[in-house]
Parts: sequence; structure tokens; C-alpha cells
Amino acid sequence: EIVLTQSPGTLSLSPGERATLSCRASQSVSSSYLAWYQQKPGQAPRLLIYGASSRATGIPDRFSGSGSGTDFTLTISRLEPEDFAVYYCQQYGSSPKTFGQGTKLEIK
Amino acid sequence: QVQLVQSGAEVKKPGASVKVSCKVSGYTLTELSMHWVRQAPGKGLEWMGGFDPEDGETIYAQKFQGRVTMTEDTSTDTAYMELSSLRSEDTAVYYCATGPVVPAAPIDYWGQGTLVTVSS
Repeated sequence: EIVLTQSPGTLSLSPGERATLSCRASQSVSSSYLAWYQQKPGQAPRLLIYGASSRATGIPDRFSGSGSGTDFTLTISRLEPEDFAVYYCQQYGSSPKTFGQGTKLEIK
Repeated sequence: QVQLVQSGAEVKKPGASVKVSCKVSGYTLTELSMHWVRQAPGKGLEWMGGFDPEDGETIYAQKFQGRVTMTEDTSTDTAYMELSSLRSEDTAVYYCATGPVVPAAPIDYWGQGTLVTVSS
């Protein structure tokens, strides 16, 4: 089983700032089958990034993903008020399709 | 556009079983890979299992093997997840979620979630 570790656990930033979220895998994620999701309170998760760096349909270009192997990053270039939420990474290249524990992005 | 509508909240006693349904519209079940993900109160997301197009079968996370059964009724485009021998730690929101029916595809559509509460 691939274990995903996200850091930091909580990130406190202000609107307009840049956010960098990390996801580290216990073993290489095959073919960069790594996704990022955003979840707001009381809502289902929303797919942001798949294939480590491809934006899902309708996702603003301030969201970008990078990385390969065991180290992946989600970057939000300029935070908007609606971006404050919890973010999860997930690897879907092998079963079980594990999630990271999440990073909470909160308003400073 | 895929739409997933789940059944309503459930309250169960320890040791009982629960069966959650997920009605698909916009696509047919045969065009999708169905997964189930749960989230305990205040906790993260946990993949329970789902259809693997590469193997052509449903794969269950080891943690749930023997207790979970995921089925599909293609005549009504409805998926089901049944979890047995419930305990308090199974209290969670259960989501059905889908991806394309190709190997190694991300989950891109989610149901609204079904809260299952296990309490004596």
C-alpha cells in the first residue's frame, strides 16, 4: 500500500498570497497517477488536478500541480477567498487508491 | 455530465448492516468505474474499494474485506455499497464517486454523501 503524507497539516495565509502544498509518497507513484482534491465544509470533494499536473475541467489556472515519483506539489498562485478549504492528494495508479491525510488552508 | 444521487441518512445499531444506494444519471453505469469513499467526522478521506477496469472486477481495500460488498444494477443504473458488522468507528459520510472506465483513471464525480451513524 502506498502511504501519502501531506504537509503542512495546516497552512495559514492571506488572500493574494501564494500557497504551496506538498504530498510525499512512500513509494513511487506509477506514471504520475496523482490527483488533488479540494473539499469545503459540508461538501463532497472536487477534483482539481489529475496526472500530477493536468487541471480538471473548469479549474482556474491559478491552480497548478507538479512533481513525479514520490514528491508532488499543489500550488495556488494567488489565493482567492473561496480557495480556503481542505486539500487532499490521492494516488490512483495502484490499489488501494490511497489518500493523504489532508492539508487545511486557512485564512490568516 | 455525470450526476450521482445517494440514498438518505441511516442510523444503525452495532452489529447491524447498512446498504447505501447511488443512482447514476447522465451516463450509464457500464460507462463508469464506481468507487466508494468514506469520511469519519472531522477526519480525512478513505477509499473503501471500487471497480478496476484493468482486472474487470471490484477491488476492496484490505481493511474492509469480508465486511463490504459493492454491487451494481445496470438495469436501473444504481450502485450499492453494503457494510456489515457495523461498529461505532464506521460512523461516517459515505460517498459514491466515479471515474472513466479506463485503467488508472482519477475520480472526477462525487455523490452528495450519505451519513451513516452507528449507535446503540
